Amino acid sequence: GQQLNQSPQSMFIQEGEDVSMNCTSSSIFNTWLWYKQDPGEGPVLLIALYKAGELTSNGRLTAQFGITRKDSFLNISASIPSDVGIYFCAAASGTYKYIFGTGTRLKVLA
Amino acid sequence: EAGVTQFPSHSVIEKGQTVTLRCDPISGHDNLYWYRRVMGKEIKFLLHFVKESKQDESGMPNNRFLAERTGGTYSTLKVQPAELEDSGVYFCASSQFPGYDYGYTFGSGTRLTVV
Repeated sequence: GQQLNQSPQSMFIQEGEDVSMNCTSSSIFNTWLWYKQDPGEGPVLLIALYKAGELTSNGRLTAQFGITRKDSFLNISASIPSDVGIYFCAAASGTYKYIFGTGTRLKVLA
Repeated sequence: EAGVTQFPSHSVIEKGQTVTLRCDPISGHDNLYWYRRVMGKEIKFLLHFVKESKQDESGMPNNRFLAERTGGTYSTLKVQPAELEDSGVYFCASSQFPGYDYGYTFGSGTRLTVV
């Protein structure tokens, strides 16, 4: 079945550093989303991408929908302690159900 | 507006017992979804309601899981009897539109531990 390979699985970074994570798949998708989950909370939508090649920013976050429609990346610039959490990519291919990645756990060292 | 509310936030039960999880979607959202995350793995789709009707329940693991949405408002997910592998975080989400274009609003989840 369809699956998303998300990497890295976890990362420790220093405050102020830039962060990059990505999701790849062997399947083609029409929509890519990036969510963040804080401890004890549900995932919150950060960025939604609807077109191949699309590059979208939300504050310090930038995400791109890969040209092949099989991948997406998320960059966080100048990380701060509140960026800590689990980041999930999700993708859909014409239905209402999303396939999620396994998550990237981000820890920021002050 | 109030978000998606899930109850309880945590539940610890013994293998073989029954547990019922509840989800209150955002008011006016006809579409309600259940997802589950087993520790360290991806968040997986369980099922989708449109109002009170099950649109897709292809992700339900087996017949020990029963989801209902009477009256098209809140939903319950019952696990009976619970097994160890049912442990995980159960998320409910809702959306106004049925398509995939807008993303969902997730609840905080119910962390289920079966011992």
